[in-house]
Amino acid sequence: AQSVTQPDIHITVSEGASLELRCNYSYGATPYLFWYVQSPGQGLQLLLKYFSGDTLVQGIKGFEAEFKRSQSSFNLRKPSVHWSDAAEYFCALISSGSARQLTFGSGTQLTVLP
Amino acid sequence: DGGITQSPKYLFRKEGQNVTLSCEQNLNHDAMYWYRQDPGQGLRLIYYSQIVNDFQKGDIAEGYSVSREKKESFPLTVTSAQKNPTAFYLCASSGRNEQYFGPGTRLTVT
Repeated sequence: AQSVTQPDIHITVSEGASLELRCNYSYGATPYLFWYVQSPGQGLQLLLKYFSGDTLVQGIKGFEAEFKRSQSSFNLRKPSVHWSDAAEYFCALISSGSARQLTFGSGTQLTVLP
Repeated sequence: DGGITQSPKYLFRKEGQNVTLSCEQNLNHDAMYWYRQDPGQGLRLIYYSQIVNDFQKGDIAEGYSVSREKKESFPLTVTSAQKNPTAFYLCASSGRNEQYFGPGTRLTVT
């Protein structure tokens, strides 16, 4: 069975600093991977996705993520964090079955200090 | 504008009452999903539907029911059998591989 692990429950960074959120997955084949962001009381917004090809994917809001098969990782990065980036971030993997079900990590809460 | 709407945003019910959460999409997506979100637990799949008049249980279907009579609509009923119904409920739909989410409904049962 597939699984997604986000090792950091909570991360605090200063505005303008760089950011890296970790995501590790367990899956028997090449996964489809996603990063979503959720502001308090809101739905999830898709930041970026990896299906195949170039292992460095660009997303919205200046985010990028790198797929590393050897490390089973899909870490999210941003060179300079803005106060508006404070939110909860979820890494997710899609199953290979026809139902295309998403398996989510437990999320990383990001706090941005002024 | 295409998207997913969920109503209401906040819902309050007394214990023992059934309650139905609405989810509508105009993205022409075949598949729709219901998730439950609790603090520190991420999202857990309740039910999903890949086509009209068909749906499947997810990981935590007990105490919930759904219907899919129209492509655009996938309502979720939280029954009195659900032991801990207070949560944030998210609906999603997908065309191929990406899932798009609605704004959610926060249900409080007292």
